[in-house]
Amino acid sequence: EVQLVESGGGLVQPGGSLRLSCAASGFTFSDYAMHWVRQAPGKGLEYVSAISSNGDSTYYANSVKGRFTISRDNSKNTLYLQMGSLRAEDMAVYYCARDPYYHDSSGPSGAFDIWGQGTMVTVSS
Amino acid sequence: DIQMTQSPSSLSASVGDRVTITCRASQGISNYFAWYQQKPGKVPKLLIYAASTLQSGVPSRFSGSGSGTDFTLTISSLQPEDVATYYCQKYNSAPFTFGPGTKVDIK
Repeated sequence: EVQLVESGGGLVQPGGSLRLSCAASGFTFSDYAMHWVRQAPGKGLEYVSAISSNGDSTYYANSVKGRFTISRDNSKNTLYLQMGSLRAEDMAVYYCARDPYYHDSSGPSGAFDIWGQGTMVTVSS
Repeated sequence: DIQMTQSPSSLSASVGDRVTITCRASQGISNYFAWYQQKPGKVPKLLIYAASTLQSGVPSRFSGSGSGTDFTLTISSLQPEDVATYYCQKYNSAPFTFGPGTKVDIK
């Protein structure tokens, strides 16, 4: 079964850090670009970050640029999102999603056909 | 950055009704466009990609059309299981922005 499973969410104080993971199974992880999308409680979907299949190209939304780092370990079939300088507005469910086409930020991706179940990040003192 | 708008923001329709949701991009995006369905408390699910191609396993009552800046999602006969929020997305180039969503429920 094709599956993405996020982990690493939790409660963190403003200014703190957290690392999210997304474990892939059931498909050849290294063939796919990956993305992070978040959803604040009761709100819509917000695009966060992308990484190409080999990890050479990354993209960040302006709202997280300089604070978040996306990475991947194809040998472990795992995607990561290192989040720092967390703010109240970063509180959300974070989803990972796969895409077969993204190469770099100047070009297209594909639609996101598989999503993880999400992991909740709560930023509060 | 290209902005995505959706209308209406919510709608209520009867079972069996034809439902249409529109999405507009602030600049042309060709057909690099998708629709997603998110049922309450669930994960988003890809419905349509390349503006009009139905994702495998999606019921044929869903259809998409459009190119450039204007796109439409149609549910030909609304069913109770279609209660959800529907999001559009552009993927021609980063950022791969989503629309604000359209909430659909049963009258």
